[in-house]
Amino acid sequence: QVQLVQSGAEVKKPGASVRLSCRASGYSFTNYYLHWVRQAPGQGLEWMGVINPTAGSTRYAQSLQDRVTISRDTPTSTVYMEVSSLRSEDTAVYFCARDMSPSSNWCFDLWGQGTMVNVSS
Amino acid sequence: QSALTQPASVSGSPGQSITISCTGTNSDIGGYDSVAWYQQHPGKVPKLMIYEVSNRPSGVSNRFSGSKSGNTASLTISGLQAEDEADYYCSTYTSSTTAYVFGTGTKVTVV
Repeated sequence: QVQLVQSGAEVKKPGASVRLSCRASGYSFTNYYLHWVRQAPGQGLEWMGVINPTAGSTRYAQSLQDRVTISRDTPTSTVYMEVSSLRSEDTAVYFCARDMSPSSNWCFDLWGQGTMVNVSS
Repeated sequence: QSALTQPASVSGSPGQSITISCTGTNSDIGGYDSVAWYQQHPGKVPKLMIYEVSNRPSGVSNRFSGSKSGNTASLTISGLQAEDEADYYCSTYTSSTTAYVFGTGTKVTVV
């Protein structure tokens, strides 16, 4: 079954870091770029960054590049995203999403179930 | 990089057609054919409805169609059905430093 399975909900205090995981199954992990997208409560979608699972190269949204790190573990087909220096504004559901084309057309056809991150003192 | 501009809400009666616009700039909508549209029901995961401006993924109803003219992309839903009531987001690659941008989102209501 082709799917992305994300780690469970997190509760963090301001200033802390959080590391989320996204495990791919049912397809060739290294063939498709993986992106991270978040959605604050009642708000729209925000693209955060992308990783090329083959090369490990990454690209981040300018507004987040100082606080976000995306990495991958190829043997386990898992992508990780760490967000540091958490603020209340980082409270959101975080999704991983697969690029639908191996050549990367920046259209996401497969999504994880989402991970809720709550940042509160 | 600002979000692409969409109307906050669009409504229609069952069976009618509606169109959602998505306005950007030469650096995003106007510059690339990577426009995608996503449908999101409350509490659910976004679903890809249109990719590369006008292509439908397998399994998506042909009542959904996409187009682009200049810096504006559009999603048309024909034969509106109750199940189409959801939020819709456009998105595209951008040459700005942020690389990728979503629209502000449009709530579709079937009245």
